[in-house]
Amino acid sequence: DQQVKQNSPSLSVQEGRISILNCDYTNSMFDYFLWYKKYPAEGPTFLISISSIKDKNEDGRFTVFLNKSAKHLSLHIVPSQPGDSAVYFCAASWEYGNKLVFGAGTILRVKS
Amino acid sequence: DAGVIQSPRHEVTEMGQEVTLRCKPISGHNSLFWYRQTMMRGLELLIYFNNNVPIDDSGMPEDRFSAKMPNASFSTLKIQPSEPRDSAVYFCASSLARGEKLFFGSGTQLSVL
Repeated sequence: DQQVKQNSPSLSVQEGRISILNCDYTNSMFDYFLWYKKYPAEGPTFLISISSIKDKNEDGRFTVFLNKSAKHLSLHIVPSQPGDSAVYFCAASWEYGNKLVFGAGTILRVKS
Repeated sequence: DAGVIQSPRHEVTEMGQEVTLRCKPISGHNSLFWYRQTMMRGLELLIYFNNNVPIDDSGMPEDRFSAKMPNASFSTLKIQPSEPRDSAVYFCASSLARGEKLFFGSGTQLSVL
């Protein structure tokens, strides 16, 4: 029973365009959401997060949107760069400190 | 600063053998996590420790899996006996405290033949 779902296994985007990665969750107790990026042969690295009291958080080219009523969050990358090509994991937790639950990941390919 | 250090980077073993994966968390971090990555299930949490005490091991798939954290700077994940379906990348991660962002090691690629 996957509580965090990333339904798109892969996404291909042209350099300079917007990349939108989506994530859905089922557990209404989740109150903290994160995105991690993973390059081949490396561990995931933290990218950006958002708490449930917000609906948007922005950090440079990266913006995360949270729609609590739809139990949906998305990561926008604008503009996309070839170096953004990686696997992106959505993750969620609750009660500030409970275990982090990850989605299966989405492979992003940015073509130059 | 050194990040989370895992060893070995690659492990190839035969079915039935014991496998031990090692992790050194970032100094000063109080929480340690073991994750397994597979194509089908993505990143699954196996177990996590807080201040060297196991808090939640509900993700450990079977009794063949065990994890220890004898001190704040070292943890092991052991599989005995190993089976081909255990083949995956195993990640260790640490955080400053519960709820803080995780820092991952580079992982151990395990292949059980």
